[in-house]
Amino acid sequence: DGGITQSPKYLFRKEGQNVTLSCEQNLNHDAMYWYRQDPGQGLRLIYYSQIVNDFQKGDIAEGYSVSREKKESFPLTVTSAQKNPTAFYLCASRRQGNSPLHFGNGTRLTVT
Amino acid sequence: AQTVTQSQPEMSVQEAETVTLSCTYDTSESDYYLFWYKQPPSRQMILVIRQEAYKQQNATENRFSVNFQKAAKSFSLKISDSQLGDAAMYFCAYRVPYGGSQGNLIFGKGTKLSVKP
Repeated sequence: DGGITQSPKYLFRKEGQNVTLSCEQNLNHDAMYWYRQDPGQGLRLIYYSQIVNDFQKGDIAEGYSVSREKKESFPLTVTSAQKNPTAFYLCASRRQGNSPLHFGNGTRLTVT
Repeated sequence: AQTVTQSQPEMSVQEAETVTLSCTYDTSESDYYLFWYKQPPSRQMILVIRQEAYKQQNATENRFSVNFQKAAKSFSLKISDSQLGDAAMYFCAYRVPYGGSQGNLIFGKGTKLSVKP
């Protein structure tokens, strides 16, 4: 079955450490997205990529980095510069055109 | 800048009854897409329904329908014959139609729907 896989489901890190969240899709989608979800805040866009080897900052990109070396993969690194990294992170993808977003199951990151 | 507002942080409905969730948005564009997503406790985001702005007819998907008022920039979701499985967070979203961020979704802050048996 096609879909978006985010791993791990839960992730714990110590403050000051970088951590990378994985996102893989086998839907052959061109565009991929990372959203952050906090209680009462809805979903906020961190980074997005419309094609391989290209990506753009979203609304809250500070303290995050991404890469898009392969069409299927869009990993997100949460760096030590992110002041409040504890959150739920959602990866999404879609085909070009008017297709809707498909979401992964998310990763809950806790930094202490 | 485009914004999406959901004015009801929480709603409650009796099983088998009907409930309407509100959403308003702000845009200067004339052609765009609007969406409702459901997020149950599993936190999986599920597309419920979508509306194309150029279509006057309101979208319908089984028990879910929308009331799209383009001039008022309103996009409410009606759930008929509510079921226990409808309990979830519901997010309204606007898709940017043009420009460098074309295709990006702007989300409201969500409405938590509870269904009472």
